[in-house]
Amino acid sequence: SQQGEEDPQALSIQEGENATMNCSYKTSINNLQWYRQNSGRGLVHLILIRSNEREKHSGRLRVTLDTSKKSSSLLITASRAADTASYFCATVPIMNRDDKIIFGKGTRLHILP
Amino acid sequence: DTGVSQDPRHKITKRGQNVTFRCDPISEHNRLYWYRQTLGQGPEFLTYFQNEAQLEKSRLLSDRFSAERPKGSFSTLEIQRTEQGDSAMYLCASSPWTGNTEAFFGQGTRLTVV
Repeated sequence: SQQGEEDPQALSIQEGENATMNCSYKTSINNLQWYRQNSGRGLVHLILIRSNEREKHSGRLRVTLDTSKKSSSLLITASRAADTASYFCATVPIMNRDDKIIFGKGTRLHILP
Repeated sequence: DTGVSQDPRHKITKRGQNVTFRCDPISEHNRLYWYRQTLGQGPEFLTYFQNEAQLEKSRLLSDRFSAERPKGSFSTLEIQRTEQGDSAMYLCASSPWTGNTEAFFGQGTRLTVV
């Protein structure tokens, strides 16, 4: 099962522009995480934001979380060619002792030279 | 520490054969996950372990799939009587304790059933 849903499914922007990806989810969460995946490779963790946090930064990444709207956004500033990848949001639900990590379908980001 | 290791990286098998994949998590990571990913999709949860205990198995998994983590260290995922629909990337991840922390992924095992 997949709880998160990213939007857009695909995004192409010029190098140097900012890229914004959104994630919506269904159930209450403990935390929300963003991962990156280069083609044919494993996933790499980017950032984790807890349910009591509203915004978090890491280098060129900015993540926001709105638990009232059950949504999150990932902003990549000053994009580079190396940012071309798929980006997934993942949620850890609050559901009894169920704390497995559930992924969305991803946003495929392509940075144009 | 070399990270999460999966073996083999690629597996081609004939329909009806059994296959087994191995995952070596980061040492001392208690939590271990298995996911399946098809082209253009996100990782789909299969099962997870806390030490040697299997906490949950996805209802999407048929009885042909089984996973073990006998000593709370490495894990194996076995698929019996493989079908073409089993063709996918199988990803393993580990984390230090619970889902409240980030997961570290291996490079995956790509299975092709012919």
